[in-house]
Amino acid sequence: DTEVTQTPKHLVMGMTNKKSLKCEQHMGHRAMYWYKQKAKKPPELMFVYSYEKLSINESVPSRFSPECPNSSLLNLHLHALQPEDSALYLCASSQTPDTYNSPLHFGNGTRLTVT
Amino acid sequence: GQQLNQSPQSMFIQEGEDVSMNCTSSSIFNTWLWYKQDPGEGPVLLIALYKAGELTSNGRLTAQFGITRKDSFLNISASIPSDVGIYFCAGLIMYSGGGADGLTFGKGTHLIIQP
Repeated sequence: DTEVTQTPKHLVMGMTNKKSLKCEQHMGHRAMYWYKQKAKKPPELMFVYSYEKLSINESVPSRFSPECPNSSLLNLHLHALQPEDSALYLCASSQTPDTYNSPLHFGNGTRLTVT
Repeated sequence: GQQLNQSPQSMFIQEGEDVSMNCTSSSIFNTWLWYKQDPGEGPVLLIALYKAGELTSNGRLTAQFGITRKDSFLNISASIPSDVGIYFCAGLIMYSGGGADGLTFGKGTHLIIQP
């Protein structure tokens, strides 16, 4: 079982819909991450939250909007997505963002399909 | 950005055989991580390496952090069917001012085991 919980597990949405992906961890980790993963490819970093503040945005289009309401929760708000945005969206957390011995722990992801 | 060259891209082996895969880079990493990803799930951390030359085992898995900090290998001994999956290496670079980007991932090694 993963200690990083993501919901929903699957999501199908139209290009005009607004939806949100949710991620939760109760390990006391202070860094949380969103990754996007296409089939059989490595995860690609989208956003990093460090102590609930957005620290890295890897030039992600504005139709993806992250939010970190508190240290345990991370959301990704989706609006006006394109079919090429269909992918597995992975949330991860680490104890802190600034120590080298703080590996990332991943959730099982949300499989997003944009129609 | 940094790149990790992971090889082989895929492996077809017989059950019971030993497996070896590696990652190399032109950049120096502070941390090397090895993850395994099963279909429909997020990457699961197998081994974390923090010191140059470090050799770490986790059951049938053994990984080493290269002395130059630019490479790492993962060995699996006496493979079993549940070893099937995609194995990713990942590296982390810490910056002198503190902080780090997310992980840089290799492209993955697809392990297929024939009974």
